Amino acid sequence: DADVTQTPRNRITKTGKRIMLECSQTKGHDRMYWYRQDPGLGLRLIYYSFDVKDINKGEISDGYSVSRQAQAKFSLSLESAIPNQTALYFCATSEWRTGTNTGELFFGEGSRLTVL
Amino acid sequence: AQSVTQPDIHITVSEGASLELRCNYSYGATPYLFWYVQSPGQGLQLLLKYFSGDTLVQGIKGFEAEFKRSQSSFNLRKPSVHWSDAAEYFCAVVNTGGFKTIFGAGTRLFVKA
Repeated sequence: DADVTQTPRNRITKTGKRIMLECSQTKGHDRMYWYRQDPGLGLRLIYYSFDVKDINKGEISDGYSVSRQAQAKFSLSLESAIPNQTALYFCATSEWRTGTNTGELFFGEGSRLTVL
Repeated sequence: AQSVTQPDIHITVSEGASLELRCNYSYGATPYLFWYVQSPGQGLQLLLKYFSGDTLVQGIKGFEAEFKRSQSSFNLRKPSVHWSDAAEYFCAVVNTGGFKTIFGAGTRLFVKA
């Protein structure tokens, strides 16, 4: 089984619908992230969380919200989806240890969202 | 502000030929630098990373990268490309504290027989 699991892997929805993308991890990492990938733009950070009580906005958080339900679970919501939110979404985790933090990210396989 | 530039959107090389993917970064201090690879339908996987020390770092799958502070570059190389190397490659820099990764736009590698 994958260490970082995203569901659903693919989703087609209509404008105005509420969508939730879920992420769970078995790596035991404290830090979790949601990224969005668009062709030619690389990956851009939507939200990140250092622990269950710590949620932070990334560079493109407008139109998105997140919930950290447990150390292992981090979900991304689109309250009212719009076509320009069509993209590939990645969840990632990283480990934090004093003196040994590397910043290496561990990714899920992605959730492809299409908003019609 | 931190930034990462990958000047080549896509590159095509013949199988068995050498490869160099370019990456330039902008960062005020000594950066933590990474190369990730994304195969079709997959998430990103770490190829290699540089934090300090030897400026030539080795990674998985026969890749290496060289950190050149004077040129603000961290180019990825492989002496002989295999068809399975066809993928998209992302250069990334991590800020101090290691919690925010800035990605380049990516370079898509095509390998021809």
